[in-house]
Amino acid sequence: DVVMTQSPLSLPVTLGQPASISCRSSQSLVHSDGNTYLNWFQQRPGQSPRRLIYKVSNRDSGVPDRFSGSGSGTDFTLKISRVEAEDVGVYYCMQGTHWPTWTFGQGTKVEIK
Amino acid sequence: EVQLVESGGGLVQPGGSLRLSCAASGFTFSSYEMNWVRQAPGKGLEWVSYISSSGSTIYYADSVKGRFTISRDNAKNSLYLQMNSLRAEDTAVYYCARDGVSYGDYANYWGQGTLVTVSS
Repeated sequence: DVVMTQSPLSLPVTLGQPASISCRSSQSLVHSDGNTYLNWFQQRPGQSPRRLIYKVSNRDSGVPDRFSGSGSGTDFTLKISRVEAEDVGVYYCMQGTHWPTWTFGQGTKVEIK
Repeated sequence: EVQLVESGGGLVQPGGSLRLSCAASGFTFSSYEMNWVRQAPGKGLEWVSYISSSGSTIYYADSVKGRFTISRDNAKNSLYLQMNSLRAEDTAVYYCARDGVSYGDYANYWGQGTLVTVSS
């Protein structure tokens, strides 16, 4: 089974400063069709998850452009260019390459210092 | 507007059963693949089950295989999860999640979740 490992698990950030979350997979996430099915989700306190990024770097509709995704193979990163108060929550990476099983990372809690 | 509304959660004793529902609206339900994902209290996300748009293809996580059954009624725009032989470790918020139309467009919409508590 694919294991997704996020770091850090807790990320205190100053408002207006950048933040970066790493996600590493135990196997390559490059699919036989050439795509890499790595998504990022945001879960604000008390809310359900919301997808931010799909296929490594594609922002979903309505997602602010301060969020960006990058990476390849087994190493991926979610970056927030300037953290705002509404960005507080837990962020999860998820692989869908080795479907039908989705695997999520443990989650990274972003909080304001 | 896409809406997914889960219901059916509650308190059940170990070994008991529960049936969750997910009512879909705002899109052509019969065209989309669906999933259940759960989240134990204070924990991360765990994929539970998948069903194709027609209902002909189904998959389960090993942790629920043989105990849970996913199904759908496209005429009623509804997704279901029949949960039998429930265990304490099944305690979680259960979310239904819709995939997109393209291959690999996973989990682009989620419901608000319904809480299942397995305890005596």
